[in-house]
Amino acid sequence: NAGVMQNPRHLVRRRGQEARLRCSPMKGHSHVYWYRQLPEEGLKFMVYLQKENIIDESGMPKERFSAEFPKEGPSILRIQQVVRGDSAAYFCASQFGTGADTQYFGPGTRLTVL
Amino acid sequence: GQQVMQIPQYQHVQEGEDFTTYCNSSTTLSNIQWYKQRPGGHPVFLIQLVKSGEVKKQKRLTFQFGEAKKNSSLHITATQTTDVGTYFCAGHNAGNNRKLIWGLGTSLAVNP
Repeated sequence: NAGVMQNPRHLVRRRGQEARLRCSPMKGHSHVYWYRQLPEEGLKFMVYLQKENIIDESGMPKERFSAEFPKEGPSILRIQQVVRGDSAAYFCASQFGTGADTQYFGPGTRLTVL
Repeated sequence: GQQVMQIPQYQHVQEGEDFTTYCNSSTTLSNIQWYKQRPGGHPVFLIQLVKSGEVKKQKRLTFQFGEAKKNSSLHITATQTTDVGTYFCAGHNAGNNRKLIWGLGTSLAVNP
């Protein structure tokens, strides 16, 4: 039973480029969360998605960031026109159902903006 | 908004000493979860507590959920170098199960 998969594991972008981060949840999980973690800091919630729906995007910056979880395929976190401050580890977590279910984390994508 | 505070932020111990991290919520929680993140790794689920006053043990780790369901603690007995990492607590607001509210974590360093 494969765990949560994220790719790429490391991503280097120059300022102004676009970054696309992918997350494939565990089999049977239809809930996905994205988090951002700066070095030596905690996890910051960004967005919660179910298949084809954004449930809670209260942690997403209003500009340049978007997320989707299509009916088929992985969840995508897209960052347009990246800036140096976007450099961080981005973790995806999947969950079977709503409520108090355990979240299973992927290995993360380490984004570096030059 | 709702906040979950964790203390201490950092802790250095000698191998063999005990360690405790505390988690306090500004509102009542329906549950509390604990995760461990090794350096360079990703958070890994450790345990979930649901009942008021609940205590659970995993080998040298003891987890408690307060009577008022607003605080929790993780205690490690006789730390080992393998315990190094950051320990996060996270809980669901009693009125909203959609989003986990995360503490900022306690980073544990263990000197051999």
